[in-house]
Amino acid sequence: QQQVKQSPQSLIVQKGGISIINCAYENTAFDYFPWYQQFPGKGPALLIAIRPDVSEKKEGRFTISFNKSAKQFSLHIMDSQPGDSATYFCAAIPGSVYQGGKLIFGQGTELSVKP
Amino acid sequence: DTEVTQTPKHLVMGMTNKKSLKCEQHMGHRAMYWYKQKAKKPPELMFVYSYEKLSINESVPSRFSPECPNSSLLNLHLHALQPEDSALYLCASSQLLVKLRSPLHFGNGTRLTVT
Repeated sequence: QQQVKQSPQSLIVQKGGISIINCAYENTAFDYFPWYQQFPGKGPALLIAIRPDVSEKKEGRFTISFNKSAKQFSLHIMDSQPGDSATYFCAAIPGSVYQGGKLIFGQGTELSVKP
Repeated sequence: DTEVTQTPKHLVMGMTNKKSLKCEQHMGHRAMYWYKQKAKKPPELMFVYSYEKLSINESVPSRFSPECPNSSLLNLHLHALQPEDSALYLCASSQLLVKLRSPLHFGNGTRLTVT
């Protein structure tokens, strides 16, 4: 119940295309859903995040769509660029104080954007 | 550049060695974390410190010993490691325990190889 399932495992997109990564969860106590971007040899960096009372959040070319009833959320990268090639992790945080500090990660998606 | 600094960037150690990984942040964050990341996998939480006190230990073997000397520093002492402990060790910090307005900031990690 503390899992976040992420798909696909890998994704190849042409430059200018739309990259879509999906995540699903079961625990309704999750109350914060960040996405992290990780380049080879670097630590993960926070990309964008959403609360469950918001259906969509957009920052530049990156958009999170959130479907609370389906317990699913997704990352859309518009006009994908070769510089977006990285591994993307969705994540979730339990809302209870007891679980404070524990970020639950999805398994990751390796995105490759071809020029 | 990341605001969480980890040293060394690379470390090779034998199974009988004792070594330490160091992490420093000057963002005034009061929560600090150690994660372990294997290739093509998400980060796995090891330890969480909140206000310099250990708040989460994810059943990590005693050959890993964390230490938080002050609010800016976090150490991970290593002793009698096994080859399967080879991984990227990531330090992270957040203003308070990670939640909506307290996102996680990662360092770039220490690449550890145990021979």
